[in-house]
Amino acid sequence: QVHLVQSGAEVKKPGASVRLSCQTFGYSFSDYYIHWVRQAPGQGLEWMGIINPRGDATTYAQKFQGRVTMTSDTSTSTVYMELSSLRGDDTAIYHCARDVRQKLVRGAESWGQGTLVIVSS
Amino acid sequence: DIVLTQSPGTLSLSPGETATLSCRTSQRVSNGYLAWYQHRPGLAPRLLIYGASSRASGIPDKFSGSGSDTDFTLIISRLEPGDSATYYCQQCYSSPLTFGGGTKVEIK
Repeated sequence: QVHLVQSGAEVKKPGASVRLSCQTFGYSFSDYYIHWVRQAPGQGLEWMGIINPRGDATTYAQKFQGRVTMTSDTSTSTVYMELSSLRGDDTAIYHCARDVRQKLVRGAESWGQGTLVIVSS
Repeated sequence: DIVLTQSPGTLSLSPGETATLSCRTSQRVSNGYLAWYQHRPGLAPRLLIYGASSRASGIPDKFSGSGSDTDFTLIISRLEPGDSATYYCQQCYSSPLTFGGGTKVEIK
């Protein structure tokens, strides 16, 4: 059964960086893209970027270019998302999610439980 | 960026009724690249529809998607209290993979 398990909540000061993990289970890790999506309090869903675990190819939303880095570790079937220069409006729940289609990008079907990141001085 | 505009913002309906949700895109989106999600507070979003009309695994047939080019629709039939949620569309056609602003469905 497909399962994504994310790391625990983080509290960071403005200007710091945070690195979140997303360990996957139950499928061939290299065959499916992983999305990162966040939701700030009272806001809608915001797509941050995507990684192809086979080869680490990434595409980031322009908004996060220069601040976000997504990587993967095939030995542990884990994807990481690092966000730097944190600001208060980065306070959000961050989700990783596996795409619905093998080797394609068609929608995020299997989601991690989410990681709360609070940015506060 | 492709902008997705969802309407209405809120829909308040009774059990057993049918909800019709609209998603309009600012540029043409190929059918294979439009998805719909259900998001209940405190839970992870749930993929309902991908490819504009294909139901994701385990999604009941009360959820159906249709549309093409710039105009897409999600229909939820036989509404139940458990369908109370915010529904989002997302285009996966070009980066960034933008979401619409959401439609909140309330069951009276």
